[in-house]
Amino acid sequence: GAGVSQSPRYKVAKRGQDVALRCDPISGHVSLFWYQQALGQGPEFLTYFQNEAQLDKSGLPSDRFFAERPEGSVSTLKIQRTQQEDSAVYLCASSLGTTGHGNNSPLHFGNGTRLTVT
Amino acid sequence: QQPVQSPQAVILREGEDAVINCSSSKALYSVHWYRQKHGEAPVFLMILLKGGEQKGHDKISASFNEKKQQSSLYLTASQLSYSGTYFCGTEVVEGSQGNLIFGKGTKLSVKP
Repeated sequence: GAGVSQSPRYKVAKRGQDVALRCDPISGHVSLFWYQQALGQGPEFLTYFQNEAQLDKSGLPSDRFFAERPEGSVSTLKIQRTQQEDSAVYLCASSLGTTGHGNNSPLHFGNGTRLTVT
Repeated sequence: QQPVQSPQAVILREGEDAVINCSSSKALYSVHWYRQKHGEAPVFLMILLKGGEQKGHDKISASFNEKKQQSSLYLTASQLSYSGTYFCGTEVVEGSQGNLIFGKGTKLSVKP
């Protein structure tokens, strides 16, 4: 079966441009997470969906970052007016179960989108 | 509320053992462990739930002490394939919505 698919794999944007990063989770997976990973660092939590509901967006660094999952499947992370500090790998992960109060569903990660802002 | 991992890095010879620790300042519902190789996605190793579990498969095992809010990952008789960066992900009790917060990672290098 297919794993989590992210596109594009690489994205170069000029400072000030808007970008959209796509995540196709594993079919049937209820939960979807977005993380930002800087070089040599751990994944930093951005936001989390359960089906189409965005339950936690506390990790989004600014109002330039926006995520959606309108039909509870594919998700898009949009970054407006990109800045150099947005350069990182953006990881998407999905899990089968509904999480909370004892997250016992493994996260399946995509290969990420490497964003470089010049 | 990011968990603290130690050590930051460790170098082993094949066959040696290692312990990686993960500590939280908050009460935890669960701890996840993942391994990431350079340029690849993190890969799931195991989950430990509240209740003081200990789990293992093959020569990699882990424990979770919920009172101490700590988890440890044990790698015994290390193999070259164990090289990579290990991350713990924690789900805190307070205000839990199910999101996982990861530590900064422990880089493990296994030499022949």
